[in-house]
Amino acid sequence: GPKVLQIPSHQIIDMGQMVTLNCDPVSNHLYFYWYKQILGQQMEFLVNFYNGKVMEKSKLFKDQFSVERPDGSYFTLKIQPTALEDSAVYFCASSLLGVSQNTLYFGAGTRLSVL
Amino acid sequence: QQQVRQSPQSLTVWEGETAILNCSYENSAFDYFPWYQQFPGEGPALLISILSVSDKKEDGRFTIFFNKREKKLSLHIADSQPGDSATYFCAARAYQGGRALIFGTGTTVSVSP
Repeated sequence: GPKVLQIPSHQIIDMGQMVTLNCDPVSNHLYFYWYKQILGQQMEFLVNFYNGKVMEKSKLFKDQFSVERPDGSYFTLKIQPTALEDSAVYFCASSLLGVSQNTLYFGAGTRLSVL
Repeated sequence: QQQVRQSPQSLTVWEGETAILNCSYENSAFDYFPWYQQFPGEGPALLISILSVSDKKEDGRFTIFFNKREKKLSLHIADSQPGDSATYFCAARAYQGGRALIFGTGTTVSVSP
């Protein structure tokens, strides 16, 4: 099936540093999402993005977070500065359309460890 | 406030038994309910889904039962196999275009041979 690629698979950084998580969505998809998962538990919605704009964001999407798709290819999540509580697995997803029944395809995640 | 709830948190069944996973929701605007399967170290993958206009959806050994009045649904895994051991997430999404897919808390299923 369609593949979403996330790079890198694991990133370790010191608290206060900036980190950028990269996502290569399915090529013809138009909607993009970031989710946060701690310890294999609940998938928590962070933000969704369409046509160069944030459409919706949760309270977990702090001011230190930003998203963009600068060159029309990678969809990125930037955290600046990072905090200890940002340690988690971050999943990127994409969907072709935004209608409710359109399938979200997820990447394998990037494990972020903030020391 | 948890919009999508799942129970039990974990479940162990013997190979060949039927596993039943429960889900409930609060938001009446939700009209699409996918179930995602996640194996350790991987992202969630769509397993089966249902729209709120239906009360049942079947795909092989997997069946969703949906009760709109009670805002409840369940996933039945018939003839469970060891390869079904995974975490299952119930999710929900509103009909308004582009809205977030909200995940439940997950149920970890272990199938013993």
